[in-house]
Amino acid sequence: TQLLEQSPQFLSIQEGENLTVYCNSSSVFSSLQWYRQEPGEGPVLLVTVVTGGEVKKLKRLTFQFGDARKDSSLHITAAQTGDTGLYLCAGAVLVGQNFVFGPGTRLSVLP
Amino acid sequence: DAGVIQSPRHEVTEMGQEVTLRCKPISGHDYLFWYRQTMMRGLELLIYFNNNVPIDDSGMPEDRFSAKMPNASFSTLKIQPSEPRDSAVYFCASSSTGGKAFFGQGTRLTVV
Repeated sequence: TQLLEQSPQFLSIQEGENLTVYCNSSSVFSSLQWYRQEPGEGPVLLVTVVTGGEVKKLKRLTFQFGDARKDSSLHITAAQTGDTGLYLCAGAVLVGQNFVFGPGTRLSVLP
Repeated sequence: DAGVIQSPRHEVTEMGQEVTLRCKPISGHDYLFWYRQTMMRGLELLIYFNNNVPIDDSGMPEDRFSAKMPNASFSTLKIQPSEPRDSAVYFCASSSTGGKAFFGQGTRLTVV
């Protein structure tokens, strides 16, 4: 069983649409990260959230950490083809502990 | 800095052969991580080093896998003997203490 679940597993949308992907767990995390991985490349860190209820924005991307620090969401506004990739969340239960990765959401933004 | 450098980018080998994957971390980073990524299991941590010392190798699948870090600028992951189920993309990542992790481009291993 996965410590972190991500949904949906796959998502295909048209350019300009909005979307939200989710990362859920029954565990409480001290911090949670979101990565984007493009085909043939390694994951690239987008954001780290550490406070329950925290919201961070990175241009068209909005990240929210759940109040109970068990879940997180990533919302993309006006998706672009360059947003295509695998979105991974990773959580650390204890401070200083290694991050465990979720299975990812594979996003395809069509022109 | 050129980032984390992995070699080779692609490796195809026959079952039973020894495979060595190489990683050069970002200069100044004191943590180095080896991950394996497959469709079935996602991204899994195999082992990580701090200041060239292996800290946690609980993710290493079995004795066929070994990793070394002889100095701060080089690490290897060796599989001997290799099996078809070892086919995956292997990533190396490095970070400084408390800093973000930077991943290499990965080595795609195919064992036939």
